[in-house]
Amino acid sequence: NAGVTQTPKFRVLKTGQSMTLLCAQDMNHEYMYWYRQDPGMGLRLIHYSVGEGTTAKGEVPDGYNVSRLKKQNFLLGLESAAPSQTSVYFCASREGKRGAYQETQYFGPGTRLLVL
Amino acid sequence: AQSVTQLGSHVSVSEGALVLLRCNYSSSVPPYLFWYVQYPNQGLQLLLKYTSAATLVKGINGFEAEFKKSETSFHLTKPSAHMSDAAEYFCAVSFIYGKLTFGQGTILTVHP
Repeated sequence: NAGVTQTPKFRVLKTGQSMTLLCAQDMNHEYMYWYRQDPGMGLRLIHYSVGEGTTAKGEVPDGYNVSRLKKQNFLLGLESAAPSQTSVYFCASREGKRGAYQETQYFGPGTRLLVL
Repeated sequence: AQSVTQLGSHVSVSEGALVLLRCNYSSSVPPYLFWYVQYPNQGLQLLLKYTSAATLVKGINGFEAEFKKSETSFHLTKPSAHMSDAAEYFCAVSFIYGKLTFGQGTILTVHP
């Protein structure tokens, strides 16, 4: 199993450009998450999904949109990139047992995004 | 609301010395707590997690953590540091839908 994969690994954007980050998992997990990591701030939740066709806002959703059309994929979109969105983005997934907050999240390798 | 505070953004130890990384949490419900490790330019990997089965939790690579409800703490320890332990460590608490709230992270440096 590849686990959680993310594409691309690195991207440079100009302010105002758009892009989509792709996350794929082959573990048949129900729940998927997008986080951003910034120095000294840990990881912060952007959006998450509790199943195919569902999405919900996390802690820092502004400027991002997501879609979960297929169970194995979770897409993160930036419609008009801003320098404040320069960050490392991580996708994660876990099994979807309801109420099982102790289930482990499995993380992808990350996407480094630089917005000029 | 849940929150996590990691005391010390940088910790430096000598090889063979005790490693102690501090984590305090705030949670309105019984917490599920995690420690993740991130090696340079990689994703996060689970070290260990507290799920209420036992207060002393053993993880991978010789790490362990003790849940202390009275102190709202979940500190990570390792008796003897190895050069390969150099990484960034994150404490996190899980809540509804398994969402994780992370601490700020602690960078561990191990000196020869």
